[in-house]
Amino acid sequence: GQNIDQPTEMTATEGAIVQINCTYQTSGFNGLFWYQQHAGEAPTFLSYNVLDGLEEKGRFSSFLSRSKGYSYLLLKELQMKDSASYLCAVMDSNYQLIWGAGTKLIIKP
Amino acid sequence: DAMVIQNPRYQVTQFGKPVTLSCSQTLNHNVMYWYQQKSSQAPKLLFHYYDKDFNNEADTPDNFQSRRPNTSFCFLDIRSPGLGDAAMYLCATSRHPGQGTDTQYFGPGTRLTVL
Repeated sequence: GQNIDQPTEMTATEGAIVQINCTYQTSGFNGLFWYQQHAGEAPTFLSYNVLDGLEEKGRFSSFLSRSKGYSYLLLKELQMKDSASYLCAVMDSNYQLIWGAGTKLIIKP
Repeated sequence: DAMVIQNPRYQVTQFGKPVTLSCSQTLNHNVMYWYQQKSSQAPKLLFHYYDKDFNNEADTPDNFQSRRPNTSFCFLDIRSPGLGDAAMYLCATSRHPGQGTDTQYFGPGTRLTVL
């Protein structure tokens, strides 16, 4: 079967750095997406990786290793507004998005 | 601004009473999706339209139906809502299905409560 694993919950301190990991097993691979979802709101697109390596976008970076079936989202200089769930999703060989359950990130002052 | 709009944001219905949720988009995207998301769970794809072609997920209950009268609008009909159908319903759009860089853009969601 297809599976996306990410930690259920993480806690970090304002101003610090946090890394949210995602491992996947899917039927084929056509890219990996990270979305941010605040409580009670819709997911918003953060990043897309299809080639191995690091993609940097401001305070957020996303890394992919296809051979390991692994990605991480790195958030720097954490702000209170970064408290949200972070969803990892993989596009499989049928171009369907397979979603993880999300990692709830709690930021403490 | 181009966007995905969902109405209403909050919907309350009674057990067994049909309800319709609506989604509209100004992005002129070919594909529209409906997802169901329950608390702390991944979004679950119910169905999607590529233009007028309807694609139902195998495990979507018959209780859920959809209509897309034109490019801009898509509706989710729940014929006889049960308590287990209480969830957030998310509408999303993308330009084309099956293109690796095709990002899905989400509306704000409709939170459905079933009494």
